[in-house]
Amino acid sequence: SQTIHQWPATLVQPVGSPLSLECTVEGTSNPNLYWYRQAAGRGLQLLFYSVGIGQISSEVPQNLSASRPQDRQFILSSKKLLLSDSGFYLCAWSAQRAYGYTFGSGTRLTVV
Amino acid sequence: GNSVTQMEGPVTLSEEAFLTINCTYTATGYPSLFWYVQYPGEGLQLLLKATKADDKGSNKGFEATYRKETTSFHLEKGSVQVSDSAVYFCALSDLGGSNYKLTFGKGTLLTVNP
Repeated sequence: SQTIHQWPATLVQPVGSPLSLECTVEGTSNPNLYWYRQAAGRGLQLLFYSVGIGQISSEVPQNLSASRPQDRQFILSSKKLLLSDSGFYLCAWSAQRAYGYTFGSGTRLTVV
Repeated sequence: GNSVTQMEGPVTLSEEAFLTINCTYTATGYPSLFWYVQYPGEGLQLLLKATKADDKGSNKGFEATYRKETTSFHLEKGSVQVSDSAVYFCALSDLGGSNYKLTFGKGTLLTVNP
């Protein structure tokens, strides 16, 4: 069966520090991968999605970047965190021709 | 573009009450429709889905029917439990081939009191 792993679960980082969040999927190949942010309140904002290795689409301009160095690995990064980067970050995957996402358990990032 | 509108919360109910969370959508073509649930501190879980008009998705006592004529996908449960307290998201998928994305509503917080 397919599983998605996301870590760390929680992270407290100072302003100006770098960030690296990792997401990996097991049990499938060539998935679509997504990074979402859920800020205070409940809305979900799509940050990046990827349909293949090295292929990254950015939905909103921001202080973050994403990379997909391997088929089932998706990384969210920042060189210098801002206070406004605080939030709950969710990774998700979907099959190429199926519908719906499977989400990871999320990372709670607090920038202080 | 695609959009999803769901009722503003929060919704507070007593245990065993009837639940309806309204969801309407705007989309081209015939999207698939979903309800996701997010329990406190967790990621989102797929609750149910429907892929074509008049389909009824159901799971854990929750139901939603894909109504093309009213562009709606309202979530219902006949008797809620305290454990149903969570945020509920309505979503639709576009049909962009391998490049598809889900569009989410803003979420509805449900609190069920004993």
